[in-house]
Amino acid sequence: RKEVEQDPGPFNVPEGATVAFNCTYSNSASQSFFWYRQDCRKEPKLLMSVYSSGNEDGRFTAQLNRASQYISLLIRDSKLSDSATYLCVVNPSGAGSYQLTFGKGTKLSVIP
Amino acid sequence: ETGVTQSPTHLIKTRGQQVTLRCSSQSGHNTVSWYQQALGQGPQFIFQYYREEENGRGNFPPRFSGLQFPNYSSELNVNALELDDSALYLCASSLGLDNEQFFGPGTRLTVL
Repeated sequence: RKEVEQDPGPFNVPEGATVAFNCTYSNSASQSFFWYRQDCRKEPKLLMSVYSSGNEDGRFTAQLNRASQYISLLIRDSKLSDSATYLCVVNPSGAGSYQLTFGKGTKLSVIP
Repeated sequence: ETGVTQSPTHLIKTRGQQVTLRCSSQSGHNTVSWYQQALGQGPQFIFQYYREEENGRGNFPPRFSGLQFPNYSSELNVNALELDDSALYLCASSLGLDNEQFFGPGTRLTVL
């Protein structure tokens, strides 16, 4: 089983749609969780951290279920500028170590 | 504030050759991590340097080696290049081990 698995995608959605990405991780001792965004031929950039209580940043909502080892990202009211690859990222290490493990990514295309 | 920079941008080498990639961390950042991103995959952790010492290593052979200098810039060296080493090499810097990593634009290496 891969350490971090994501929906294979790609997702093609119209502007204004709601889209959800799912991710599972294998290491139950993982400490921190993130969603990164990567535009074509660019570097990954942190979109948001993910907490057990769930967190929201504008149109983006992230959820973590530690019992199921499952992470999700919801994007509401999709914009053309949301088109990118979304990477689910886990830090499997403890404090004093921040060695990110990335999923393969899910490509999102928002269509006019 | 200057972000993370990497050089060169692109590089073409042949099998068996050696390559050195360079990374300048963001001002004030003392931790550098290196990742390899093959086409269509998420980045994979190679190793991390904290205050000039290696602080962890991913599943990469010894021909991948690195250095961090007193100014916290870093090098990634790859010996005996193989075709599968063709990838985008990303460097990320952070202030300490437990903080957000900021990625540079990457070096795209092609091995022929």
